[in-house]
Amino acid sequence: DQQVKQNSPSLSVQEGRISILNCDYTNSMFDYFLWYKKYPAEGPTFLISISSIKDKNEDGRFTVFLNKSAKHLSLHIVPSQPGDSAVYFCAASSGTDKLIFGTGTRLQVFP
Amino acid sequence: DAGVIQSPRHEVTEMGQEVTLRCKPISGHNSLFWYRQTMMRGLELLIYFNNNVPIDDSGMPEDRFSAKMPNASFSTLKIQPSEPRDSAVYFCASSRTGQNTEAFFGQGTRLTVV
Repeated sequence: DQQVKQNSPSLSVQEGRISILNCDYTNSMFDYFLWYKKYPAEGPTFLISISSIKDKNEDGRFTVFLNKSAKHLSLHIVPSQPGDSAVYFCAASSGTDKLIFGTGTRLQVFP
Repeated sequence: DAGVIQSPRHEVTEMGQEVTLRCKPISGHNSLFWYRQTMMRGLELLIYFNNNVPIDDSGMPEDRFSAKMPNASFSTLKIQPSEPRDSAVYFCASSRTGQNTEAFFGQGTRLTVV
């Protein structure tokens, strides 16, 4: 049973445009959400997070939005750059440091 | 800090053989996780240790899989006997215990069972 779902396996965006990656979750006990970025042959690295008491968190070009009623979060990257091409994983936790991850979305930013 | 260190980076083994993956977490981190990455399931949590004690092993797929953490600086994931369907990338991660913390990942071990 996949508690964290990323329904789009891939996304292709032109450089300079906005990339929007989506994530849905089923467990209403989740209270902390994270996005990780993964390059080939490397481990995932932390990108940005959001607590359930907020609905938006921004860090430079990256913004995460949380819609608790819809059990949905999204990552916006503006403007997208070729170096952003990677696999992005959504993760969630509920009161502990145990993270449950989604299946990932492969983002390709082309010139 | 050296980060989470995993070894080996690549492992090719024959079906039926025992495989041992190793992990050194970041010093001072109390929690350690083993994940497996596959196309179908993404990053799948296999087992979670806190202060060297296994807290949740519900993700361990079968009895062929076992994990140990004999001390705060070392953990192993063992597969015995290995099967071709075990082929995947296995990641170890560590974090400080507590709420709202992020985990730091190693570079992974790519396992191929032929």
